[in-house]
Amino acid sequence: AQSVTQLGSHVSVSEGALVLLRCNYSSSVPPYLFWYVQYPNQGLQLLLKYTSAATLVKGINGFEAEFKKSETSFHLTKPSAHMSDAAEYFCAVTLSTGNQFYFGTGTSLTVIP
Amino acid sequence: DTAVSQTPKYLVTQMGNDKSIKCEQNLGHDTMYWYKQDSKKFLKIMFSYNNKELIINETVPNRFSPKSPDKAHLNLHINSLELGDSAVYFCASSHRVNTEAFFGQGTRLTVV
Repeated sequence: AQSVTQLGSHVSVSEGALVLLRCNYSSSVPPYLFWYVQYPNQGLQLLLKYTSAATLVKGINGFEAEFKKSETSFHLTKPSAHMSDAAEYFCAVTLSTGNQFYFGTGTSLTVIP
Repeated sequence: DTAVSQTPKYLVTQMGNDKSIKCEQNLGHDTMYWYKQDSKKFLKIMFSYNNKELIINETVPNRFSPKSPDKAHLNLHINSLELGDSAVYFCASSHRVNTEAFFGQGTRLTVV
């Protein structure tokens, strides 16, 4: 069975500081991994995805994530937080042979001016 | 053009009523989903359809019945609504079952 764990349900950073949101996955076969962002009262928007190509994946809005098989991790980073980054972030996993996404419990990012 | 659209965006109804949520995607995708997001933001798959065929039916009360008249539509009908059904329901679609999903804006259902 596959799953994702997001460490830290709430993360606060100062504007301009590094953003680091953690995601660890569990999968018996090579996974496909995704990060989604949800702004208040909106649907989920894809930030980036890993599908077995380059391990460092760049996404929209300056975000990137690195797939580390040895650590079973797919942490999301952004060098400099902006006020507009405040949102809920979800990590998700599926398999090349899978038929659904498994979402983490989400991390709420607060950016302090 | 909205890629995945759901209607209505808000739905307030009394216990015991029957209601439907409609979903349409114009992306030409083969797979569509319904997810439920609870008050703690946890997302849980409810149903998944591929080419109009049901492929996932998680442990959901049979009061919930999806209907897919064609590949572009996946509607959700809920009978005998209960207080615990209050949540945000998201429709999503993807090209195939394991590619990235595109989400609608959600339907906030409140049962009073």
